[in-house]
Order: sequence, then C-alpha cells, then structure tokens
Amino acid sequence: RKEVEQDPGPFNVPEGATVAFNCTYSNSASQSFFWYRQDCRKEPKLLMSVYSSGNEDGRFTAQLNRASQYISLLIRDSKLSDSATYLCVVNRNTPLVFGKGTRLSVIA
Amino acid sequence: ETGVTQSPTHLIKTRGQQVTLRCSSQSGHNTVSWYQQALGQGPQFIFQYYREEENGRGNFPPRFSGLQFPNYSSELNVNALELDDSALYLCASNPASGRTHNEQFFGPGTRLTVL
Repeated sequence: RKEVEQDPGPFNVPEGATVAFNCTYSNSASQSFFWYRQDCRKEPKLLMSVYSSGNEDGRFTAQLNRASQYISLLIRDSKLSDSATYLCVVNRNTPLVFGKGTRLSVIA
Repeated sequence: ETGVTQSPTHLIKTRGQQVTLRCSSQSGHNTVSWYQQALGQGPQFIFQYYREEENGRGNFPPRFSGLQFPNYSSELNVNALELDDSALYLCASNPASGRTHNEQFFGPGTRLTVL
C-alpha cells in the first residue's frame, strides 16, 4: 500500500464547476500536510498547507481529518487556469511524501 | 519564482554513464532535498542535506550520491546510469527552522533521459 493515496483521475469538469479531491495517508506519525500544484513539465508549487481546523484560500478549501487520516481539497468556481495535477503531500521529520497526483482538466 | 535554480535543464546520457546535477538553493535556506519524479508518478525522496551533512535518505541505491557545499548549493551524482533513471530530478530547499520550515520550495528540475 502506498503511503499517500489519491484519486487517480483525470477529472474533466466544465468551467464554474466545483471539484473535490480526496487523499488518504497511512502513517499516523505524519506531521504536516500540503497540497501542491504541478503544471505539465514544470516543478510542483505549494498551493496551500492543510490544518486540522481546515483552511480556505479564495476558491480553495482544504480539510484534514487526523482520525481518519484523510485530506481533501475543494475547488469552487473552477477556472481554465486551474487545469493541472494536484499532489497530496505529507511530511514526517525529513522528507515530503507525495501522492501520485490527480489530473484536473477544466473545460470551457 | 522560488529562487531555487537547477542545471542543466535537460540532459541525455547512455546506460552506464555518470551524471552530475546541480542546485542552488534559495537565499537563507540551509536544507536541500532531492527528488526523482518518473513520468506519471509523484516525486520520490532521494536524500536531504543539512549544513553539508546527509540528513535522511530514501529508498535509492548507493549509486545515487550527493554533496552540499558551504554556500548550501548541492549536487546529485548518479553512477552507472540505468534506463529507469530517466526522470525529472527536482531539488527543493527550505529553512531548517521557523514557521515555514516544513514548506519546501522546488527548482524547475533537470529532465534526464537515459538511452
């Protein structure tokens, strides 16, 4: 079993749609949680950190459930520019541990 | 931009050869991590350097080695290249302490093709 598992996707959604990504992690010792965005053939870029209380940044909302070891990302009012791969990431001590990523395509 | 730079951008090598990839970390960051990202996969942790010492290693064979220099720049060396080493190699830096110490900032990567 992979340490971080994500919906494989791809998700193809129309502009304006709401889309949710789910992620589970297996190591209960994980300490920090993130969503990264990666455009095609580019490096991953931090989208947002994820906290137990949940956090929101504009159209993006991230939630963490430590008891269920579950992380989510909600994107409201999808834009064409949201098309990318979204990587669920956990951190324990030293390395970042990445999920495989979920590909999102927002269609006009 | 993150301020993390990598060179070269692209590289083509043949099996059995050796390669050195370079990374300059963001100013003020003394920790550098290297990741390998194969096509269609998430990045996989290779190792991390903190103040010129290896500070953690992932599940990669010894032919993957690294260095960190006093200015915190870093190199990744891969010996005896194999076809499966073809990937995007990412360098990431972060400050070792402070509120953002777990947030890593990635360079643009080096795309290595092994023929």
